[in-house]
Amino acid sequence: NAGVTQTPKFRVLKTGQSMTLLCAQDMNHEYMYWYRQDPGMGLRLIHYSVGEGTTAKGEVPDGYNVSRLKKQNFLLGLESAAPSQTSVYFCASRGGLGQFFGPGTRLTVL
Amino acid sequence: ILNVEQSPQSLHVQEGDSTNFTCSFPSSNFYALHWYRWETAKSPEALFVMTLNGDEKKKGRISATLNTKEGYSYLYIKGSQPEDSATYLCASDNAGNNRKLIWGLGTSLAVNP
Repeated sequence: NAGVTQTPKFRVLKTGQSMTLLCAQDMNHEYMYWYRQDPGMGLRLIHYSVGEGTTAKGEVPDGYNVSRLKKQNFLLGLESAAPSQTSVYFCASRGGLGQFFGPGTRLTVL
Repeated sequence: ILNVEQSPQSLHVQEGDSTNFTCSFPSSNFYALHWYRWETAKSPEALFVMTLNGDEKKKGRISATLNTKEGYSYLYIKGSQPEDSATYLCASDNAGNNRKLIWGLGTSLAVNP
């Protein structure tokens, strides 16, 4: 099992560009989450999904959209990137009690 | 407002020292308390999940206790080693929160050789 994977690992964008981050899990988990991690801020929940075809807003959803068309994939989109979205993005899935994290995507917006 | 507090924010110890950190969490509608270990440039890894008042979990030199009535958990590291250097996160899982975890900001531990 690969667990939770994320692509890409690194990306540099210019302000206004768009991109999609892909999260995939092979553990048949229902719940999936997107977090961002910034110095001194801890993990902040952007969006999450409780199952295929469902999404919901977390603490900091503005500027992001998500889709969960397939159970194993959870996509995070930035329609018009801003420097404030420079961060490390972590995806996680939940089976049973615990959350399992992907390796992260480091995004820089210039 | 549901909040998870961790203390201390950071800690520097010498190799061989034993240490402990605190996590306080909302006791209402409590479901589970999670501890994660997060090394720099990696992703958080689960250490323990605890659900019952009085639970104690142990993994090697690391152990954790849980008090759900007063809403706190302690993480202990016995005989710290440099490889224990990491940020230790706790997260509270409370019923009615749609399976979202409430995360603390972590305790950053540095173990000097």
